[in-house]
Amino acid sequence: DAKTTQPNSMESNEEEPVHLPCNHSTISGTDYIHWYRQLPSQGPEYVIHGLTSNVNNRMASLAIAEDRKSSTLILHRATLRDAAVYYCILRDGRAAGNKLTFGGGTRVLVKP
Amino acid sequence: NAGVMQNPRHLVRRRGQEARLRCSPMKGHSHVYWYRQLPEEGLKFMVYLQKENIIDESGMPKERFSAEFPKEGPSILRIQQVVRGDSAAYFCASSRRSSGDTQYFGPGTRLTVL
Repeated sequence: DAKTTQPNSMESNEEEPVHLPCNHSTISGTDYIHWYRQLPSQGPEYVIHGLTSNVNNRMASLAIAEDRKSSTLILHRATLRDAAVYYCILRDGRAAGNKLTFGGGTRVLVKP
Repeated sequence: NAGVMQNPRHLVRRRGQEARLRCSPMKGHSHVYWYRQLPEEGLKFMVYLQKENIIDESGMPKERFSAEFPKEGPSILRIQQVVRGDSAAYFCASSRRSSGDTQYFGPGTRLTVL
């Protein structure tokens, strides 16, 4: 599986945007970029995913570099509820039932 | 719509006992995944099942662990003769299709082995 690299932690102030980087220099052409987050004492939660184009949904935006070797998850206005560990995961779009391979993720702390 | 259900949410067992963890996937989902999260560690894949079939068990420990997803009823993760090192949070996820589909996770079962 192609590997992702994320910072261990980031801090943000409430109501401010948060930009979470992810490097995936060995990404293949069929790999989708997925983001999940895990709030304290809860199961992981799907956030967003994309292949080549930038994506937006009600939770976040995903900006994908033109060469696809990196991406950034953007939380537009952080709330205290966004404090969680955010995982950037590559998934091969061709592989049936492929498992999620979680790395260490980025722990986001939101300060009031 | 009910999400992925797991029970029990908390399970305490003594060394040598058996632990049974249950997972009911979301309605319409026929693919189930089990993951384990040891204390202060990341989530690790254990097994992927479809109805009545184990598709990928590459993350399952070789002994004492088994999983099933019968035609009727929830998926079961069974741990025989538990040891302290089995203490962890066990998460189940389900998806509608297999190929790259979004996985939806349950709240987890926290197993404590005394």
